[in-house]
Amino acid sequence: AQSVAQPEDQVNVAEGNPLTVKCTYSVSGNPYLFWYVQYPNRGLQFLLKYITGDNLVKGSYGFEAEFNKSQTSFHLKKPSALVSDSALYFCAVFTGGYQKVTFGTGTKLQVIP
Amino acid sequence: DVKVTQSSRYLVKRTGEKVFLECVQDMDHENMFWYRQDPGLGLRLIYFSYDVKMKEKGDIPEGYSVSREKKERFSLILESASTNQTSMYLCASSLLLGGSNQPQHFGDGTRLSIL
Repeated sequence: AQSVAQPEDQVNVAEGNPLTVKCTYSVSGNPYLFWYVQYPNRGLQFLLKYITGDNLVKGSYGFEAEFNKSQTSFHLKKPSALVSDSALYFCAVFTGGYQKVTFGTGTKLQVIP
Repeated sequence: DVKVTQSSRYLVKRTGEKVFLECVQDMDHENMFWYRQDPGLGLRLIYFSYDVKMKEKGDIPEGYSVSREKKERFSLILESASTNQTSMYLCASSLLLGGSNQPQHFGDGTRLSIL
């Protein structure tokens, strides 16, 4: 079985400060890991993914994520937060089969001006 | 750009009604999915389909069925709506190409209320 955990329901950060949204996973094989963002009244938008290779993955809107196999983590980061980054962020994991992906419960990011 | 279109943004139905939610994608994706999103529970997979007329149960298929008669269209059916099916429903699609590691593209959702 595969699972993903987002331990924080909400993260608050001041505009201009670095931000981190945490994600840990549990799988029995090699993971494919994803981050998505959801703005109010919209569907999810793909931000970035880790498949293999470099542990630091760069994605859209200046976001990046670091894959850490020993800690089974895939935290989302951004060096300088913008108010427009305020949204709901979902981590997701996949290990194979016909595209069955498991999503986390989501973390609400609030960037304070 | 991939476009996934859900037929209704908001829908209000009554208990016991048969409800149809429609989803269309325009990028010739093989895979299509239906999720429901509830606060604190994240996204839960109801059904998915990797080809026309093919379907697989997700994590919470009870009370739902699906139909995929054409590649671009995936319908979710609530056979007899109940109040616990009040939720946000999200449709998504993805390519099967490349070993099943393609990101999913989502519609904007249908907020369904069952009274």
